[in-house]
Amino acid sequence: EDKVVQSPLSLVVHEGDTVTLNCSYEVTNFRSLLWYKQEKKAPTFLFMLTSSGIEKKSGRLSSILDKKELFSILNITATQTGDSAIYLCAFYQGAQKLVFGQGTRLTINP
Amino acid sequence: GAGVSQSPRYKVAKRGQDVALRCDPISGHVSLFWYQQALGQGPEFLTYFQNEAQLDKSGLPSDRFFAERPEGSVSTLKIQRTQQEDSAVYLCASSASGRVYNEQFFGPGTRLTVL
Repeated sequence: EDKVVQSPLSLVVHEGDTVTLNCSYEVTNFRSLLWYKQEKKAPTFLFMLTSSGIEKKSGRLSSILDKKELFSILNITATQTGDSAIYLCAFYQGAQKLVFGQGTRLTINP
Repeated sequence: GAGVSQSPRYKVAKRGQDVALRCDPISGHVSLFWYQQALGQGPEFLTYFQNEAQLDKSGLPSDRFFAERPEGSVSTLKIQRTQQEDSAVYLCASSASGRVYNEQFFGPGTRLTVL
């Protein structure tokens, strides 16, 4: 059965710290992995990763995929309180259906 | 529109009542998705439309759940005879075309509480 597992489930750090969030997956016909940020509203898209070893970067956030070891990481440097959210990873099952992990709840304390 | 909108944002229903949740996708988006998110969990797929055609409804948990998109734009998710286990946030998402592996844009969700 296809699945995705995120770790840790919860993380509390101080402002300015760097965090690494993990997403491991078992997918029969893997196409791409996506990261979303969810605050008290709609999940917002961060990255879509298709190729192994190519880092995607947006400001203080970056992500990379390892298709050999079947995992992805999301890094956030110089964290700010506004980074507090649930971070979700997901993969496509079939052409359109997204399957999500449980999420990592990140809390940044000032 | 500027983004995906959903209404109502919050809905409280008594067990056994029928509810209808509305989704307005981004204007021109071909694909529309419904997900259910229980507390502390990631969203789970319910159903998918391409224009007015419902192409996948494999995630609907029971025959009490019904979704439609009659004119290929606005969609309604209906839950009949609600049960307490239906309490969740219902998220709608849309994507620009019927091509595969497109980014999905999510609405703010409707939080349903069944008493």
